[in-house]
Amino acid sequence: AQSVTQLGSHVSVSEGALVLLRCNYSSSVPPYLFWYVQYPNQGLQLLLKYTTGATLVKGINGFEAEFKKSETSFHLTKPSAHMSDAAEYFCAVSDKSAGNKLTFGGGTRVLVKP
Amino acid sequence: GAGVSQSPSNKVTEKGKDVELRCDPISGHTALYWYRQSLGQGLEFLIYFQGNSAPDKSGLPSDRFSAERTGGSVSTLTIQRTQQEDSAVYLCASSLDFGLPGAFFGQGTRLTVV
Repeated sequence: AQSVTQLGSHVSVSEGALVLLRCNYSSSVPPYLFWYVQYPNQGLQLLLKYTTGATLVKGINGFEAEFKKSETSFHLTKPSAHMSDAAEYFCAVSDKSAGNKLTFGGGTRVLVKP
Repeated sequence: GAGVSQSPSNKVTEKGKDVELRCDPISGHTALYWYRQSLGQGLEFLIYFQGNSAPDKSGLPSDRFSAERTGGSVSTLTIQRTQQEDSAVYLCASSLDFGLPGAFFGQGTRLTVV
């Protein structure tokens, strides 16, 4: 079975500061990894994904994530936070052997302080 | 429309009543997924459909939950004899093919059982 752990249910950052959201996963096979963002009363929007190839993945809105197999991690970063980044972020792993259904972490809510 | 469409966006129902939630996937997407987002359980997989194959129902929490997908397009999630613990946001997602990772999500249906 796969699992995803996101460290920190809430993160507070100052506008312009680095955003770092941590994600560790467990998977018995090479995973597909994702970060989704959810704004209030909205669905999930795909930020970025890792499938194969380059381990540093760039996504929308200036976010990027690095797949580190040795650490089973897929941390999300953004060099400079913007007020519009305030949202909840979910890390997920998909089960390639079962239709790529997603297993999600518990989510990290980001607050951006002016 | 261009995205995944869900209706209704909000539904309040009395305990014991049946409800139907609808999902219109992105045109041409053969894979369709249902997830549930609740305060206690986070984001969890319910069921997925791929083309004409038998659906993967492994995430359905009880036999009160069922889903169908007609004509390979629209899907309906039905909850019979609703209970208060069914209160949650029900999210639908679709992807071009179940072998392609990274699904697109709808806005969700917020179900409240009173």
